[in-house]
Amino acid sequence: GDSVTQMEGPVTLSEEAFLTINCTYTATGYPSLFWYVQYPGEGLQLLLKATKADDKGSNKGFEATYRKETTSFHLEKGSVQVSDSAVYFCALSDLVTGGGNKLTFGTGTQLKVEL
Amino acid sequence: DTGVSQDPRHKITKRGQNVTFRCDPISEHNRLYWYRQTLGQGPEFLTYFQNEAQLEKSRLLSDRFSAERPKGSFSTLEIQRTEQGDSAMYLCASSLGLDTGELFFGEGSRLTVL
Repeated sequence: GDSVTQMEGPVTLSEEAFLTINCTYTATGYPSLFWYVQYPGEGLQLLLKATKADDKGSNKGFEATYRKETTSFHLEKGSVQVSDSAVYFCALSDLVTGGGNKLTFGTGTQLKVEL
Repeated sequence: DTGVSQDPRHKITKRGQNVTFRCDPISEHNRLYWYRQTLGQGPEFLTYFQNEAQLEKSRLLSDRFSAERPKGSFSTLEIQRTEQGDSAMYLCASSLGLDTGELFFGEGSRLTVL
């Protein structure tokens, strides 16, 4: 079945550092890929997405590129802020074959950004 | 607040008891989802509804679990004869009836089975 593998956390960075959170996937069909974020005390929310190979999703300074050849969707940000401290989840869904928005999530990576 | 709301936020129960969780989705959303999240894991899909119809159930949803969405608005998730392995965060999400992958999650209901 479909699966998502994320790098383990926690990841601790200083403010303004460069962030990469690795995500690889296994899927049959043509998955769409997502990054969700969970800030402390809040529900998960969509951060960005990409629906086909070579697409780049971006939002709030975060970017991720859908790499079919390496089955990856790594999350990057050039300069993190303390307010980016959260748990980040990589996820996939097969929207083409009617996945009905059913998402398969990775285990999540906690990011801590310090001053 | 017009987001997804869940109740109760935390439930502590003894093994063998029944528990029920309620989810109120965003009002114009016709799809509603239940996920379960255990410590250190990502959310796992349990079931989803399109309006009042339950369209898919995961194999994780044993026969002790039942979900309803009687009028296509709020939903309930009932767990009968709880076991310690049922301890988890139960997440509800809703979306429009479009396959965009964007789900709107509530803050979850945490179940602790003693």
